[in-house]
Amino acid sequence: KNEVEQSPQNLTAQEGEFITINCSYSVGISALHWLQQHPGGGIVSLFMLSSGKKKHGRLIATINIQEKHSSLHITASHPRDSAVYICAVFKYSGGGADGLTFGKGTHLIIQP
Amino acid sequence: KAGVTQTPRYLIKTRGQQVTLSCSPISGHRSVSWYQQTPGQGLQFLFEYFSETQRNKGNFPGRFSGRQFSNSRSEMNVSTLELGDSALYLCASSPGWEQYFGPGTRLTVT
Repeated sequence: KNEVEQSPQNLTAQEGEFITINCSYSVGISALHWLQQHPGGGIVSLFMLSSGKKKHGRLIATINIQEKHSSLHITASHPRDSAVYICAVFKYSGGGADGLTFGKGTHLIIQP
Repeated sequence: KAGVTQTPRYLIKTRGQQVTLSCSPISGHRSVSWYQQTPGQGLQFLFEYFSETQRNKGNFPGRFSGRQFSNSRSEMNVSTLELGDSALYLCASSPGWEQYFGPGTRLTVT
């Protein structure tokens, strides 16, 4: 079983819809990242969370440390939001943190 | 500030050869991490360098190595290339927990 699980794997929605992508992890973490990857490969870090909730424009990320779960929400979705969204965690280790461990990603397509 | 740069962007090598990839971090960032992305395995952590020292290492064979210079620029080397090493190699620089990714080097091994 992967240490970081994302759902859904694929999501197609209409422009304007509210989008939710979920991430569950099974390890202790120091921090969790939500990443966006467009075709061509470039990766952008959207959020880094260790607790609570963050908002940036139409994007909202939440994390529940006790339940080991995080969600990424997109409000008023737009075709330019079409991308792969990846959840990644810094696993906690006694000496600090290991490198990022990644989920498999969610392929999001927003149709006009 | 300029972003993370990686060179070359594309590379084609033959099985058995070796390759060196370069990463220049954002000015002031002392940590550089390397990642491999393949269709089958997704993104995987290779190693992290901080102040010229390898601080963390992922689960990759010894053919994969790296180093960091005093100006924080980093290189990774893959020796005795295998077909399965074909991948997008990404580096990320960091001032702390945040990760700033470069555009990647797409390596094709034939």
